Amino acid sequence: EIVLTQSPGTLSLSPGERATLSCRASQSVPRNYLAWYQQKPGQAPRLLIYGASSRATGIPDRFSGSGSGTDFTLTLSRLEPEDFAVYYCHQYERPPWTFGQGTKVEIK
Amino acid sequence: QVQLVESGGDLVKPGGSLRLSCAASGFAVSDYYMSWIRQAPGKGLEWVSYITRSDTEMYYADSVKGRFTVSRDNSKNSLYLQINSLRAEDTAVYYCARSRLGLDIWGQGTMVTVSS
Repeated sequence: EIVLTQSPGTLSLSPGERATLSCRASQSVPRNYLAWYQQKPGQAPRLLIYGASSRATGIPDRFSGSGSGTDFTLTLSRLEPEDFAVYYCHQYERPPWTFGQGTKVEIK
Repeated sequence: QVQLVESGGDLVKPGGSLRLSCAASGFAVSDYYMSWIRQAPGKGLEWVSYITRSDTEMYYADSVKGRFTVSRDNSKNSLYLQINSLRAEDTAVYYCARSRLGLDIWGQGTMVTVSS
């Protein structure tokens, strides 16, 4: 099983600031089948990034993903008020599929 | 409109069973891998199961293997999750999701509560 560890657990930032979220895998994620999701309270998760760096349909370009192998990063270049939420990484190349434990981005 | 709508969640006693349904619209479930993911109250996401396009392969998390069964009815354009031998730790919101380059379409979830 590929274990995904996200850091930090909580990120306290102000609107307009840059957010950098990390996801580290216990072993290499084949074909970079790594996705990022945003979840707001009471809502289902929303796909942001797939294939480590491709933005999903309708996702603003302030969201970007990078990385390969075991180290992946989600960057929010300039936080908007609606970006404060919990973010999860997810590997979907081999079962069991796994999620990271999440990073909460909160308003400072 | 592409969407998924789950149903079937309920309050059940430990050891009980439930069948969750996920109705799709705007696309054919037969064309995609389809997944179930759950989220316990106040916790993170946990992948539960997925079924391949051809229905030849189903995979499960170790925590549910032998108790949960995923299936699909293409004529009803729906996905199902049969849950048996329910435990308190199965209490969660259960989401179905379409698997295409990540989990690109999610339902709103259905709540399963296991309590005596």
